[in-house]
Amino acid sequence: SQTIHQWPATLVQPVGSPLSLECTVEGTSNPNLYWYRQAAGRGLQLLFYSVGIGQISSEVPQNLSASRPQDRQFILSSKKLLLSDSGFYLCAWTPGGRSDTQYFGPGTRLTVL
Amino acid sequence: ILNVEQSPQSLHVQEGDSTNFTCSFPSSNFYALHWYRWETAKSPEALFVMTLNGDEKKKGRISATLNTKEGYSYLYIKGSQPEDSATYLCASRGSSGTYKYIFGTGTRLKVLA
Repeated sequence: SQTIHQWPATLVQPVGSPLSLECTVEGTSNPNLYWYRQAAGRGLQLLFYSVGIGQISSEVPQNLSASRPQDRQFILSSKKLLLSDSGFYLCAWTPGGRSDTQYFGPGTRLTVL
Repeated sequence: ILNVEQSPQSLHVQEGDSTNFTCSFPSSNFYALHWYRWETAKSPEALFVMTLNGDEKKKGRISATLNTKEGYSYLYIKGSQPEDSATYLCASRGSSGTYKYIFGTGTRLKVLA
């Protein structure tokens, strides 16, 4: 069976510090991978998605970046965090296809102070 | 750019009541519509994926319908129970050529015992 891991679960970082969130998927190959963010009182916002190694599509121009160094690994990064980066970050994967559903990781709660 | 809207934003119902929510999405370039259930402190969990106009899906006491021509989907819960309390999200995928899922802001349901 497939599982998705995300870490860390919670993170408190000062403004201006770097960020690295990691997501890995087990039990499947060539998944489509996604990073979402839920800011306080808002819905899920798509940040990045990837359909293959090294292929990243950015949906929101900001100080975040994503990378996919391996087939089942997706990393969200920032060189300098802003207060507005606080939120709940979710990684998700899909196997592909029209009726595919998204499977979400446990999430990371990021607080930028 | 897709704009997915959900209503109501939140609602409280008594145990045993039936309820329904609405998800509206642009009807042009429709590809698939997803419903998710998101409980506090957990990850979103897939309920339904719907692709055809007139689709009806059912899972226990929860069912959903789809109208792609007018751009809406209804989610119904029959005989609400306290464990149904959660945020219900819908997400639209706009066309076969995109892997993007655009989420609504969700309907927060509280079932009172």
